[in-house]
Amino acid sequence: GAGVSQSPSNKVTEKGKDVELRCDPISGHTALYWYRQSLGQGLEFLIYFQGNSAPDKSGLPSDRFSAERTGGSVSTLTIQRTQQEDSAVYLCASRGGGAPDTQYFGPGTRLTVL
Amino acid sequence: SQKIEQNSEALNIQEGKTATLTCNYTNYSPAYLQWYRQDPGRGPVFLLLIRENEKEKRKERLKVTFDTTLKQSLFHITASQPADSATYLCALEGGSGNTGKLIFGQGTTLQVKP
Repeated sequence: GAGVSQSPSNKVTEKGKDVELRCDPISGHTALYWYRQSLGQGLEFLIYFQGNSAPDKSGLPSDRFSAERTGGSVSTLTIQRTQQEDSAVYLCASRGGGAPDTQYFGPGTRLTVL
Repeated sequence: SQKIEQNSEALNIQEGKTATLTCNYTNYSPAYLQWYRQDPGRGPVFLLLIRENEKEKRKERLKVTFDTTLKQSLFHITASQPADSATYLCALEGGSGNTGKLIFGQGTTLQVKP
């Protein structure tokens, strides 16, 4: 595709349910990032995939959060037993090469946990 | 701990004036610094990248400076227009084991009045 796409665009769930958020990066991009942005806040780094290397999970806030990237392309961010504080916009970005190339962001998924 | 600070208060200026946004950082030695623009409900969009050995970078009406001694970057928009109204995020990358990972500031909202 022409850009990074994310689905769903909006997700409303009940506390305690699991959710899966999907990211389709730009074709051929080797690096993929997940960020979280709470209302009026900056971007909080969650996890980073680079090629076949082990992902950098240093930003995941708890073990309820996990992510995988299948076939070096599509990525899924899973949040188990969602809590109200998980409500935020989850942004995905991809990058073609190593630093210092730019990151291309998707439109985000707005997650609301009731 | 590593910290990136941008003015949390919105910057309001008159059309035609120069907007100057500040990004300060501590306990960090980035190899690159990037500026992104974010409009409401959208993902950030890359604007400019500057390397640690560069003092200044320009693109059309945009200018970025990078002072590694002061640990500060300034982002200027000359001849500002109402269409420049958005939130501007600075992001650091590289150094201190953070290669490949962008760390974002919380952003400064710019409002250009006609």
